[in-house]
Amino acid sequence: NAGVTQTPKFQVLKTGQSMTLQCAQDMNHNSMYWYRQDPGMGLRLIYYSASEGTTDKGEVPNGYNVSRLNKREFSLRLESAAPSQTSVYFCASSEAHLFGEQFFGPGTRLTVL
Amino acid sequence: RKEVEQDPGPFNVPEGATVAFNCTYSNSASQSFFWYRQDCRKEPKLLMSVYSSGNEDGRFTAQLNRASQYISLLIRDSKLSDSATYLCVVNPGNQFYFGTGTSLTVIP
Repeated sequence: NAGVTQTPKFQVLKTGQSMTLQCAQDMNHNSMYWYRQDPGMGLRLIYYSASEGTTDKGEVPNGYNVSRLNKREFSLRLESAAPSQTSVYFCASSEAHLFGEQFFGPGTRLTVL
Repeated sequence: RKEVEQDPGPFNVPEGATVAFNCTYSNSASQSFFWYRQDCRKEPKLLMSVYSSGNEDGRFTAQLNRASQYISLLIRDSKLSDSATYLCVVNPGNQFYFGTGTSLTVIP
């Protein structure tokens, strides 16, 4: 039982490049989330998917897009990376939206030069 | 105003000490509350939920004060393995908001 997995673990991009962060969970959870964590800012919600087929903006959605590919997978895309998007990105899942424990993946450390 | 505020610390305490963290929240309609633990360069993991009546899990006690809008975490008999950052999490109804975390180092 792997829980929540994320790829890649590390990535360096140049300004303007695009990339997709992948996330998958094997717990049959309905809800999935993307957060970013910056020093002194805590975790901030970028986008979430309360259930398969739905996605909604969180606190800091600008510059990102998401796709809930199926119940297991939720990807985050940076279309044109900016240095301000240098951060650690965590994917999380929970059984239901805003209910109970969130399980986090190991994170992706992204640097945009 | 931030939804959730925590004292970042750091708290440096000797083994065996008792330490308490507070976390204040701004939305009085907040419905659920949690403490998560995050080790250095790792993902957050749930430590415990916080219930209205207060709850205890071994050496850890969490309390909620709705009147003053804060939650607390008490750690008794601190162990070296308790060294981590503790994040409070609040749900005001639309999403989870995380505090910036309080850093704890337990010293031998």
